[in-house]
Amino acid sequence: DTGVSQDPRHKITKRGQNVTFRCDPISEHNRLYWYRQTLGQGPEFLTYFQNEAQLEKSRLLSDRFSAERPKGSFSTLEIQRTEQGDSAMYLCASSLGRQGWNSPLHFGNGTRLTVT
Amino acid sequence: GENVEQHPSTLSVQEGDSAVIKCTYSDSASNYFPWYKQELGKGPQLIIDIRSNVGEKKDQRIAVTLNKTAKHFSLHITETQPEDSAVYFCAASEDTASKLTFGTGTRLQVTL
Repeated sequence: DTGVSQDPRHKITKRGQNVTFRCDPISEHNRLYWYRQTLGQGPEFLTYFQNEAQLEKSRLLSDRFSAERPKGSFSTLEIQRTEQGDSAMYLCASSLGRQGWNSPLHFGNGTRLTVT
Repeated sequence: GENVEQHPSTLSVQEGDSAVIKCTYSDSASNYFPWYKQELGKGPQLIIDIRSNVGEKKDQRIAVTLNKTAKHFSLHITETQPEDSAVYFCAASEDTASKLTFGTGTRLQVTL
């Protein structure tokens, strides 16, 4: 399978702990997005990278959240001092962007975070 | 910012019937409108998209219509099959590279 890969698929953590998720985009895709989805809702945008540059961050991304894409390939999303309200599905998506053109977003199967 | 509303929240149809899901958006700057299908335990999968320079697009049993003046767009699925059962999301953005604003989803159930 050469789609977007996310690891782990599930994470259970206690409140106050730090967690880190990883996303491997489709290999030739230069754009990478993180979204969060809570039960019964649509995905909400968190942040977006073009290559290694983080170009946009949502107000949803509090100071406890940090995302990186150090070499323009895989990305990590870290949540520090987790809270119960952080429980959600964290989705990664990637796309191929060129001057004046961008492919549609391809989503991974997500990492489901449960904070107890 | 953009706000996308989606109706109905649940839809039950018999196999072979048609299903229609409707969305409205608020930002006149939006020009790209994809539809995603999400099955249990999986991420959203793109099924069809439309850009603002087109009023309708079809792909086999799936069609999308767009009315930019009224700021609404719809998904039409004909000859529904049990494997069409899933949650469907509409979304809107300025262009294909920009962040997507999603609707709240429609759970479609196709019964035999």
